[in-house]
Amino acid sequence: ETGVTQTPRHLVMGMTNKKSLKCEQHLGHNAMYWYKQSAKKPLELMFVYNFKEQTENNSVPSRFSPECPNSSHLFLHLHTLQPEDSALYLCASSPSLAGGVSSSYNEQFFGPGTRLTVL
Amino acid sequence: DAKTTQPPSMDCAEGRAANLPCNHSTISGNEYVYWYRQIHSQGPQYIIHGLKNNETNEMASLIITEDRKSSTLILPHATLRDTAVYYCIVSPGFQKLVFGTGTRLLVSP
Repeated sequence: ETGVTQTPRHLVMGMTNKKSLKCEQHLGHNAMYWYKQSAKKPLELMFVYNFKEQTENNSVPSRFSPECPNSSHLFLHLHTLQPEDSALYLCASSPSLAGGVSSSYNEQFFGPGTRLTVL
Repeated sequence: DAKTTQPPSMDCAEGRAANLPCNHSTISGNEYVYWYRQIHSQGPQYIIHGLKNNETNEMASLIITEDRKSSTLILPHATLRDTAVYYCIVSPGFQKLVFGTGTRLLVSP
């Protein structure tokens, strides 16, 4: 247990469906992240939120829509996905990206991921 | 972020030390060396990080060369549960992590 939970753990959806992935952290962190890991590819950073504000969008298609209502919760809303979007979606959290040179900002705690299959 | 170079795969016998190398010849003075690992079908797990000095925690030791152009992660007594992909990442402490392809470590009985 890392203190970061993700639901659902597995999701199968059609290309016309709308679904949401949920991430919750119980670590008191203020930075949260979404990553995508496709088969046999490195993790790709998708979005970064710091104190509920989005600070990074790594050229992610608009069919992925993140939401961060508070520092403990992060959602990824999915709509009209493509089969190539099938992947493991990972959420992570870390102490806030408040600037400075603290190395602990990159001690990220990952959830177990949601395995998404788009038919 | 500075690039890192790691061997794609390594083998280790159970109970022996696993020494995983990483080259980061273009590392900047303000960049830390981070190590993460990812066990199959799980999220990555933070292991250790360092700047200049060698570091040790309950999971591993990190040896950084004096010129900081390379480092070695040491698992002193590898177990079967240490089989994973190990990622070496260099980054300033306040910027995003960029994961590469890592080293796939296989620990065998």
